[in-house]
Amino acid sequence: DIVMTQSPDSLAVSLGERATINCKSSQSVLYSSNNKNYLAWYQQKPGQPPKLLIYWASTRESGVPDRFSGSGSGTDFTLTISSLQAEDVAVYYCQQYYYTLTFGGGTKVEIK
Amino acid sequence: EVQLVQSGAEVKKPGESLKISCKGSGYSFTSYWIGWVRQMPGKGLEWMGIIYPGDSDTRYNPSFQGQVTISADKSITTAYLQWSSLKASDTAIYYCARGEVVPAAPFDYWGQGTLVTVSS
Repeated sequence: DIVMTQSPDSLAVSLGERATINCKSSQSVLYSSNNKNYLAWYQQKPGQPPKLLIYWASTRESGVPDRFSGSGSGTDFTLTISSLQAEDVAVYYCQQYYYTLTFGGGTKVEIK
Repeated sequence: EVQLVQSGAEVKKPGESLKISCKGSGYSFTSYWIGWVRQMPGKGLEWMGIIYPGDSDTRYNPSFQGQVTISADKSITTAYLQWSSLKASDTAIYYCARGEVVPAAPFDYWGQGTLVTVSS
């Protein structure tokens, strides 16, 4: 199994400041034949189902604000919220889909 | 508009059976995988398994194999998750979600979730 480890578990960021979430996979999720990283990010607000934000590690889903960006390759990935808004308070999960599917443990983002 | 509408909350006793549903609409139900995801109270997301309604090809997370059964009825565009004998530890919210045309893909649409409470 591919284990996904997120850090930190939680973070508090001031409105308008940058939030950075890390995700590390226990083995590479980069598929060499197409040079794609099989890594997605989700946002889950309280009482709601998760929402897909980013796939292929850096491709924003349609309608996702451009303050959300994904980066990284191989085993190390980052989700960045460039300017935190109040509506971004949520838990964020990474997910690999290289071999079956596994989620990271989640990172809770709050307002400082 | 793509929609996944799940059945309502359930309260069951340990040892009872249960089948919850997820009805897809607004897209070709037989052309996309449907997955099930568990979220225990206050915890993270766990992938349980996935089914391709077109031919009922089903894959399970080994942690859930034998514990649940995933099925689909393409004639009514509905996927199911069922238990034959519930345990208190099955208490959770269960989400269905749409994958892609391949089994290894992110979930782009999600159901609203079904809360299952198992208590004596």
